[in-house]
Amino acid sequence: QVQLQQSGPGLVKPSQTLSLTCAISGDSVSSNTVAWNWIRQSPSRGLEWLGRTYYRSTWYNDYAISVKGRITINPDTSKNQFSLQLNSVTPEDTAVYYCARGYSYCMDVWGKGTTVTVSS
Amino acid sequence: EIVLTQSPGTLSLSPGERATLSCRASQSVSSSYLAWYQQKPGQAPSLLIYGASNRATGIPDRFSGSGSGTDFTLTISRLEPEDFAVYYCQQYGSSPRYAFGQGTKLEIK
Repeated sequence: QVQLQQSGPGLVKPSQTLSLTCAISGDSVSSNTVAWNWIRQSPSRGLEWLGRTYYRSTWYNDYAISVKGRITINPDTSKNQFSLQLNSVTPEDTAVYYCARGYSYCMDVWGKGTTVTVSS
Repeated sequence: EIVLTQSPGTLSLSPGERATLSCRASQSVSSSYLAWYQQKPGQAPSLLIYGASNRATGIPDRFSGSGSGTDFTLTISRLEPEDFAVYYCQQYGSSPRYAFGQGTKLEIK
C-alpha cells in the first residue's frame, strides 16, 4: 500500500522560501511508471497543480506557469522522497499543500496535506 | 488552457436519492484524461473515477462516471450518508498538466 508522508513548516515569512518534503512508502521515487506531484488548495484558487518530477531513464520536471521561476521539485533517491521549494512567497501562497502520485492521467495517492501560512 | 466548469455549485439531496454532477470542459477532452475526486472536510481529495468511467480501487458501484468530448457526469445512484462531500473533476492536458474544476458540494437536504 502506497503512502505519502508530508513534512515541513506551517508558517513562512513573506519573501522567504517555502520548503516541504514528501516521503514515499510502498513505491519508489525512481519508478518509471508514475510521477510525483505537488498540488495546493486555497479558497481563492481552489485546487491548483504546481508541478511534478518523474523518472524515465532520466529525471524530468513539469511546472505550472503560475509558479514557474519560483518553484523547484527535486527527487531524493537516497531517502525515497521528493521535495517542493517555492521562493519569494507572498500571502497569496497561503494554502494547504498536498503531494500526490500521478498514475494514468490522474492522482491516485495523496498525502494528508500541510497547511502553510505566509505571514510575518 | 482548458477550463472545467462544474455544476451545480451545491446540490442538496437526501440519503437514498440519486445525485447527478456535471463537469463541462471549455474544449474537447479525451475520456482517458478525465477523473473525479471526492473530498471530505479536513481530508485530501481521493480518487473516485479515472478515464471518465473507471472506478478506482475500492470504490462502490453506486458511483459511476460517463461522458465524452466536453460533457462529463458523475452519478451516485443511491446516496449513503458518507457520500456527502465535495466532488471535483480533473483533466490531464498540456498546460497546466492537471486542471481541476471548482467543485460541487453535495449536502444533506
